[in-house]
Amino acid sequence: DTGVSQDPRHKITKRGQNVTFRCDPISEHNRLYWYRQTLGQGPEFLTYFQNEAQLEKSRLLSDRFSAERPKGSFSTLEIQRTEQGDSAMYLCASSSPAGTTIEQFFGPGTRLTVL
Amino acid sequence: AQKVTQAQTEISVVEKEDVTLDCVYETRDTTYYLFWYKQPPSGELVFLIRRNSFDEQNEISGRYSWNFQKSTSSFNFTITASQVVDSAVYFCALSDLNQAGTALIFGKGTTLSVSS
Repeated sequence: DTGVSQDPRHKITKRGQNVTFRCDPISEHNRLYWYRQTLGQGPEFLTYFQNEAQLEKSRLLSDRFSAERPKGSFSTLEIQRTEQGDSAMYLCASSSPAGTTIEQFFGPGTRLTVL
Repeated sequence: AQKVTQAQTEISVVEKEDVTLDCVYETRDTTYYLFWYKQPPSGELVFLIRRNSFDEQNEISGRYSWNFQKSTSSFNFTITASQVVDSAVYFCALSDLNQAGTALIFGKGTTLSVSS
């Protein structure tokens, strides 16, 4: 399977703990996106990478959130000092600027529960 | 500011009925992309269609069809002869054509329930 993969699929943590999620995009895609989805809402954009460069960040991405894509392949999203309001599904997507493949393909998501 | 409105929160139909999901968008851009995604109970968003603002031609793919009307800023999605497997949350989304690598703006989604 060459789709977008995310790990872990589920994470339960206590308030104040740090968590890190991983995303592996489709191999030929150089663009990678992180979104957050809460219950009953559509996904909300968090940040975007082109290769290893983080080109755009949403105001939703507080200073407790940090994302990296060190070699332009997989990406990590870290949340420090988690709060109950961070509970959500964290979605990763990838796309390629080549040809007409600009649509974003999503992974299965990581569901975070902060107790 | 860009915005996508899906006024229908939930729709319930019986198998074989036709159903239309509405999407209205707002943007100041003259060039943009519109998308539909499906999110089944498993949770993974599945891409269905992309349409750019230059192309108002309607599209049909099997039981799915899309009606794009710039005059009313709408991009509606019709499922013909619905099936139980169509049950999912459907999202309409918008992005800027000139910066196609950036964020998708999603609506809140419409939950479609198809019963047998």
